[in-house]
Amino acid sequence: AQTVTQSQPEMSVQEAETVTLSCTYDTSESDYYLFWYKQPPSRQMILVIRQEAYKQQNATENRFSVNFQKAAKSFSLKISDSQLGDAAMYFCAYSGGSNYKLTFGKGTLLTVNP
Amino acid sequence: DVKVTQSSRYLVKRTGEKVFLECVQDMDHENMFWYRQDPGLGLRLIYFSYDVKMKEKGDIPEGYSVSREKKERFSLILESASTNQTSMYLCASSFVGHKNYGYTFGSGTRLTVV
Repeated sequence: AQTVTQSQPEMSVQEAETVTLSCTYDTSESDYYLFWYKQPPSRQMILVIRQEAYKQQNATENRFSVNFQKAAKSFSLKISDSQLGDAAMYFCAYSGGSNYKLTFGKGTLLTVNP
Repeated sequence: DVKVTQSSRYLVKRTGEKVFLECVQDMDHENMFWYRQDPGLGLRLIYFSYDVKMKEKGDIPEGYSVSREKKERFSLILESASTNQTSMYLCASSFVGHKNYGYTFGSGTRLTVV
């Protein structure tokens, strides 16, 4: 079974600075997808960014970017110019090939300090 | 605006009661999922459905059942609620295509069993 590991239960960052959240995963598949979801205090899970494993180029969405290292099975999220609204729980998730189920990590709680 | 709607935001039930959690999506998605979220454990898959009247067990199905009589509605049933089922329950849906774009989530139901 695939596993997703987020080794940082909590992180903090100063407003306007950059922070990186770590995620590693275990799989024997070659075709898969990786996701970062954000869950603010409102509880609504929001998709932040998505990476297709066969694409070597790292995905970016505005201030959010990933460092996808396929050989190392690592998928970290970088948040640049952090804003107070970025404070949330962040979940890394994996989905293999044609299997649409997502396996989630345990989450990283990000605090943004003014 | 596409939506996944969970009928209750907060719910308090007594031990032994039969509990229904309802989820409706308006995106014509084939796949629907029920997860429970607990602090330190992340999101764990209870059941999912890939078509009307079709269902598969997830990682923690014990004590739960599901029903999908119509494509847009996926119900989670706690046959006899117990205190260890106090949790946040998240419903999600996704469409089936040649690429995986992840889930759209509902806003969650926080269930307390007393």
